[in-house]
Amino acid sequence: GEDVEQSLFLSVREGDSSVINCTYTDSSSTYLYWYKQEPGAGLQLLTYIFSNMDMKQDQRLTVLLNKKDKHLSLRIADTQTGDSAIYFCADGGSQGNLIFGKGTKLSVKP
Amino acid sequence: ETGVTQTPRHLVMGMTNKKSLKCEQHLGHNAMYWYKQSAKKPLELMFVYNFKEQTENNSVPSRFSPECPNSSHLFLHLHTLQPEDSALYLCASSQERQGVYGYTFGSGTRLTVV
Repeated sequence: GEDVEQSLFLSVREGDSSVINCTYTDSSSTYLYWYKQEPGAGLQLLTYIFSNMDMKQDQRLTVLLNKKDKHLSLRIADTQTGDSAIYFCADGGSQGNLIFGKGTKLSVKP
Repeated sequence: ETGVTQTPRHLVMGMTNKKSLKCEQHLGHNAMYWYKQSAKKPLELMFVYNFKEQTENNSVPSRFSPECPNSSHLFLHLHTLQPEDSALYLCASSQERQGVYGYTFGSGTRLTVV
């Protein structure tokens, strides 16, 4: 079945860049998404990328898509303590529902 | 404040109780979803409603009963739950089943079954 995999934890120092990686199995996805979940809150859509693009930049966020390897990454430049959260990769999926990874917990140390 | 509102934010219930979770959106979306998020498992899709019709039930036990009276409201009725049902229950909505803007999530209801 369709699957999305992410590493569970990432720790960086404030001011460094963070790179969160994700792999997915459904090659028919039209869009891929990154969501952010802060403690005690729901998921917030951070950014998305259309499957015929290989890069998208939005301020401090850069999304890279390698469709051949089914690999998606999220780079956060100049990471701040406020970026500490769980980041979910999501695949549009062929069935119409979003398929979420388990989430990567990003810890930012001052 | 997100466009999807869930109440209550926290709920503690005994195994013999009956309670309901409520979700409301006024974004003009046509699809609504219930997800379960627990410490040990990723986001689990429970139910999908599209234009008020249930289109998906992911093998959810019958002690969870969804209701969608209109496109703006979604309920999850709970009865005779088990302690392992303790989790964060998230509601989401989308313009259609899959759209460029993905899903809009509520803040969730933290459910504890005692």
